[in-house]
Amino acid sequence: KQEVTQIPAALSVPEGENLVLNCSFTDSAIYNLQWFRQDPGKGLTSLLLIQSSQREQTSGRLNASLDKSSGRSTLYIAASQPGDSATYLCAVQIYNQGGKLIFGQGTELSVKP
Amino acid sequence: DGGITQSPKYLFRKEGQNVTLSCEQNLNHDAMYWYRQDPGQGLRLIYYSQIVNDFQKGDIAEGYSVSREKKESFPLTVTSAQKNPTAFYLCASIPRLTDFSGNTIYFGEGSWLTVV
Repeated sequence: KQEVTQIPAALSVPEGENLVLNCSFTDSAIYNLQWFRQDPGKGLTSLLLIQSSQREQTSGRLNASLDKSSGRSTLYIAASQPGDSATYLCAVQIYNQGGKLIFGQGTELSVKP
Repeated sequence: DGGITQSPKYLFRKEGQNVTLSCEQNLNHDAMYWYRQDPGQGLRLIYYSQIVNDFQKGDIAEGYSVSREKKESFPLTVTSAQKNPTAFYLCASIPRLTDFSGNTIYFGEGSWLTVV
């Protein structure tokens, strides 16, 4: 059974720091891995999608990597800003149950001015 | 602009009552999903639908029901059989269930359901 774990559960950093969020999964049979942002009481916004054949994706200050063999992904945020404060969730898309997404519990990020 | 609309944003349910959460999309997507999110936890799949008049149970379907009579609509009913319904409910969609070539999933803004 696929399980997704995110570490740390919460993170507080001063503005300007570079930071790394971690995501691990137990089964390498995935279609893709996605990183989402969730603001309090809101829906999810997709940040980056990495196909299973890819190693990384970049969007602005965000860079996500994928190592399927070790079951790990990282989300790197450069030069963090207070506006980056949110919960970040990773999810893997699997082959069964309609290609459903299996989510980690999220990392709650707080960037202090 | 295209997107997913969920309503109501906040809903209160009395014991023994059924309630229905609305999800409408104008993205022309075939596949739609309902997820449940409990505080401090990730999302769990309740039901999904590949096409009109078809839907399948997810991991936590007990106490819930859905319908897919129209492509753009996928309402979720939380029945009295769901003993712990207080949660944040999220509807989502993708263009096609078998197309994972880079199509990201779109989410609605969510609905909060509280039992009173």
